[in-house]
Amino acid sequence: GAVVSQHPSWVICKSGTSVKIECRSLDFQATTMFWYRQFPKQSLMLMATSNEGSKATYEQGVEKDKFLINHASLTLSTLTVTSAHPEDSSFYICSARLTSGSYEQYFGPGTRLTVT
Amino acid sequence: GQNIDQPTEMTATEGAIVQINCTYQTSGFNGLFWYQQHAGEAPTFLSYNVLDGLEEKGRFSSFLSRSKGYSYLLLKELQMKDSASYLCAVKRNYGQNFVFGPGTRLSVLP
Repeated sequence: GAVVSQHPSWVICKSGTSVKIECRSLDFQATTMFWYRQFPKQSLMLMATSNEGSKATYEQGVEKDKFLINHASLTLSTLTVTSAHPEDSSFYICSARLTSGSYEQYFGPGTRLTVT
Repeated sequence: GQNIDQPTEMTATEGAIVQINCTYQTSGFNGLFWYQQHAGEAPTFLSYNVLDGLEEKGRFSSFLSRSKGYSYLLLKELQMKDSASYLCAVKRNYGQNFVFGPGTRLSVLP
């Protein structure tokens, strides 16, 4: 149980275009999902906390107008990278927490974004 | 604010024991996690400590000292597949997020 999926697993896009990444909790409901970014050989950096039915909470330095997050249901959160630039190329990982109040986060497999 | 430190890289031999340390300075500490991450993959949960002491789970054990802001992950009977990055993460009692350390890249040699 507690499986989180992401789609797509990898994507290549041209500079200036927008890319949407989906994060789904497959067998549980998640009121809270998290979006992380990871550059090569670096640790995960939290970008934002996504709460179902409300606005996401962004970490300092993360542009909310560039990284649009929507958490429309208890099983789906989406991250849209708008007007992507090569420096946005990274590994984007989402995680979800069980609504039961569990401390544990379950991570998706990640999405590798390359902006050319 | 918060600060989490881990050694950048470690090397050990197959069958040996290795200890990966994590030190942290944070307000509102509410638990420490260890994750394993293979290159290009998402992290997988290894352990969780919220009270002082040692938690053992098979070949992996994790220790926490809250007064010292210190934790370690102990890996026994190392296998080649244990070559990965090991991330410690601190949970705070406010907010809903984790703060990850920089990770330690472990290489297990034959």
